Parts: sequence; C-alpha cells; structure tokens
Amino acid sequence: EADIYQTPRYLVIGTGKKITLECSQTMGHDKMYWYQQDPGMELHLIHYSYGVNSTEKGDLSSESTVSRIRTEHFPLTLESARPSHTSQYLCASTDHMNTEAFFGQGTRLTVV
Amino acid sequence: GENVEQHPSTLSVQEGDSAVIKCTYSDSASNYFPWYKQELGKRPQLIIDIRSNVGEKKDQRIAVTLNKTAKHFSLHITETQPEDSAVYFCAARISGGGADGLTFGKGTHLIIQP
Repeated sequence: EADIYQTPRYLVIGTGKKITLECSQTMGHDKMYWYQQDPGMELHLIHYSYGVNSTEKGDLSSESTVSRIRTEHFPLTLESARPSHTSQYLCASTDHMNTEAFFGQGTRLTVV
Repeated sequence: GENVEQHPSTLSVQEGDSAVIKCTYSDSASNYFPWYKQELGKRPQLIIDIRSNVGEKKDQRIAVTLNKTAKHFSLHITETQPEDSAVYFCAARISGGGADGLTFGKGTHLIIQP
C-alpha cells in the first residue's frame, strides 16, 4: 500500500549525540517536507525538497540538515542533539500539483 | 510569505451541536485551502479541501466555505459526535509551481462534550 513511513517512532537520546530520522514514501511524489510539531500545537515547516538533489530551508530555523539522494527517501539529521530539539518531527509529501499533503506517523524525539 | 490565522484555539460543544472554526489568510495568490484533523498521537489527515474557484464544499457532516474577497475560510461540522474530538488545522498554499509547503494555522482543539 502506498504510504509514507517514518522511523523510529520514538527516540530518547543523550545530549551531543548525532541522530538521523528516516522518512520514505512509496507514493511516487516528487515533493517532500519536514515539519516540527510540539504535541497538539502548530506545525512548523523546517525543510522541503522539490526532488532529487534539491533541499530548501523552511519557515522555522532549524539546526537539522536534510538530504535527497533518492526520490523516495528524505532523511533528517541532527549532528549534535540538544534538549531544545525535543519535539515531534513529521515528514510529508505531495504530488506535483502541490495539493493534498500526506503525513508520516511522526518521530517523537526526546533529548535528555 | 503566507500567514494563516485560526480561531478559536479551543472549542467545546455539546454532542449533536454544530462547530465552526474560522481562518484568515494573507496572500491573495493562495488558491488551495485544506483542513486537517489530527487525533491524539496520530498523524494529521486531510478531511476536506476547497479551491479558490469554489465558494462552498460539503462532505456529509463537514462543510467548508471560502470568501476570497475577505480572505477567510471556515470549517463547519454539524451533528458533532465524540469521534470529532481532535485538533483541526486549516492551511493555505498556492497549488502548482514550487514546492514550498503548506502554511498552517495554529490549530483548534475541538472538544465534544457528551
């Protein structure tokens, strides 16, 4: 079934560690996005991509980085995690017409 | 860029009553307005959307209205049920063209009182 997958779902990690949050979609979408969301709160766009080798920063400044080497894969990396990075990270994708956004289940990150 | 304001932040209604959530947007070029529902611990999911060439759209108990002149749009839920309890987000974007993501409102916590 076509969907968008995120791993891990939950992650607790120590300060200073490097982490990568995985996002893969089997929907054939070119455009992918990362949003940061505190539980029940607003969604902030932190990164997006038009397609392979394209990455752009979103509206909310983030210390994370992203890459897009394959169409279906859009990982997000934090080189040195800090408690301020504790949040939920949602990956999404849209088709070429930029209409409905499909979200992954999210990764809930806690940095201790 | 686009700015979306959403009100109220919390809405409590009796089961069976109607609920209305309102949003305004700033960019007159925006032409696509979706509404997402996010249940506790789950991902946001599209429940209804409207394009700028339409003034109203209905899907069973849910309807969305759009006033392009005033740059505001609203979600209407009739005959509310306990399963309608969730956070609802409105959004706006320019469809087609570039990939810049949806601009979301801050969300409305809808609570259905039994």
